[in-house]
Amino acid sequence: DAKTTQPPSMDCAEGRAANLPCNHSTISGNEYVYWYRQIHSQGPQYIIHGLKNNETNEMASLIITEDRKSSTLILPHATLRDTAVYYCIVNRGSNYKLTFGKGTLLTVNP
Amino acid sequence: DAMVIQNPRYQVTQFGKPVTLSCSQTLNHNVMYWYQQKSSQAPKLLFHYYDKDFNNEADTPDNFQSRRPNTSFCFLDIRSPGLGDAAMYLCATSRDQAGSDEQFFGPGTRLTVL
Repeated sequence: DAKTTQPPSMDCAEGRAANLPCNHSTISGNEYVYWYRQIHSQGPQYIIHGLKNNETNEMASLIITEDRKSSTLILPHATLRDTAVYYCIVNRGSNYKLTFGKGTLLTVNP
Repeated sequence: DAMVIQNPRYQVTQFGKPVTLSCSQTLNHNVMYWYQQKSSQAPKLLFHYYDKDFNNEADTPDNFQSRRPNTSFCFLDIRSPGLGDAAMYLCATSRDQAGSDEQFFGPGTRLTVL
């Protein structure tokens, strides 16, 4: 599975959009981009995933560049409860295994 | 609400004393996973069950075993815990083995080894 690169930390003001980038320049055609997050002392939580097209659900939006070498997770109106480590994972659709990287610690400030 | 439950949330054991962590799910999912997460590190997959089929990761130490007596329950057995096994142990489930099936995680059991 392709490796991902994320900034180690980011800050965001409460109520503003949080844009979390992820680079996956070696992604192959059958690999999906997944986002999970882990709030302190809790288990990881699925957020969203996509292959080529942009995706949106009740939690977030996922924007994947046309060449698929990078993506951005958007939390449209960040709250204090969104403070967590966000993991970007690239995975083949047929592969069950989630390989977590270091992730981005997003801190939402009042 | 359908969920993944882990008991206990905190477990203390002594060096070398066998310990069992438990996980149950009400999602009726086919797949159950065990992850190990050491302090300030990302979760790492130890093994998983697809129905009754056990799948061990290549680098999982022999000290770690698992049992799945039925669809709802899965256990993690550590035969002789060492100090390096202190970690958060996370149980997760998914409907199937496809990567497109999201994994649902429990709250974890934090294991302390004295």
